[in-house]
Amino acid sequence: AQSVTQPDIHITVSEGASLELRCNYSYGATPYLFWYVQSPGQGLQLLLKYFSGDTLVQGIKGFEAEFKRSQSSFNLRKPSVHWSDAAEYFCAVGASGTYKYIFGTGTRLKVLA
Amino acid sequence: GAGVSQSPSNKVTEKGKDVELRCDPISGHTALYWYRQSLGQGLEFLIYFQGNSAPDKSGLPSDRFSAERTGGSVSTLTIQRTQQEDSAVYLCASSLEAGAVYEQYFGPGTRLTVT
Repeated sequence: AQSVTQPDIHITVSEGASLELRCNYSYGATPYLFWYVQSPGQGLQLLLKYFSGDTLVQGIKGFEAEFKRSQSSFNLRKPSVHWSDAAEYFCAVGASGTYKYIFGTGTRLKVLA
Repeated sequence: GAGVSQSPSNKVTEKGKDVELRCDPISGHTALYWYRQSLGQGLEFLIYFQGNSAPDKSGLPSDRFSAERTGGSVSTLTIQRTQQEDSAVYLCASSLEAGAVYEQYFGPGTRLTVT
């Protein structure tokens, strides 16, 4: 069955520290992979996406993610976290020929001043 | 340009009442999606529209849930005889066309509380 796992429900980091949010997927086809961010009371905003090609993807707000097919992972990273990055982050997977995204359960990020 | 808008932003209703949630997609977007976000859960797909037709209603949790889209634009999600387990945030998204390659743009959601 198709699924997306975000193992960390909550993560707390200090401002200026590096960040890595984990995402593992199970998908039969070649996946399209996405990271979205949801700030309180807001809708989801796309941070970055991977369809094919270079496995290291750059996104907005200084985020990047690396697709590792052998590990079925698409982890999100940021070298230095800002207080405004506190939000909930969702990993999602889709595939060519489909219309539906499958979302993980999200990781809530807290940033300490 | 304007993004996806949803109304109301918050809705409190009594168990057993019917509710209607509205979504205005981005102009020109032919595909429209409804998701439900419950506490501690990811986003649960409910239904999608391509134009005015809904090829996939498989995510609707029960026959109390229905949705329509008129004029290829505005969509309404209706929940009849609401139950407490319907309490959640209902998110709408639209994309230029239906297909995972097209970015889905999300609205701010409607928070539904059933008392």
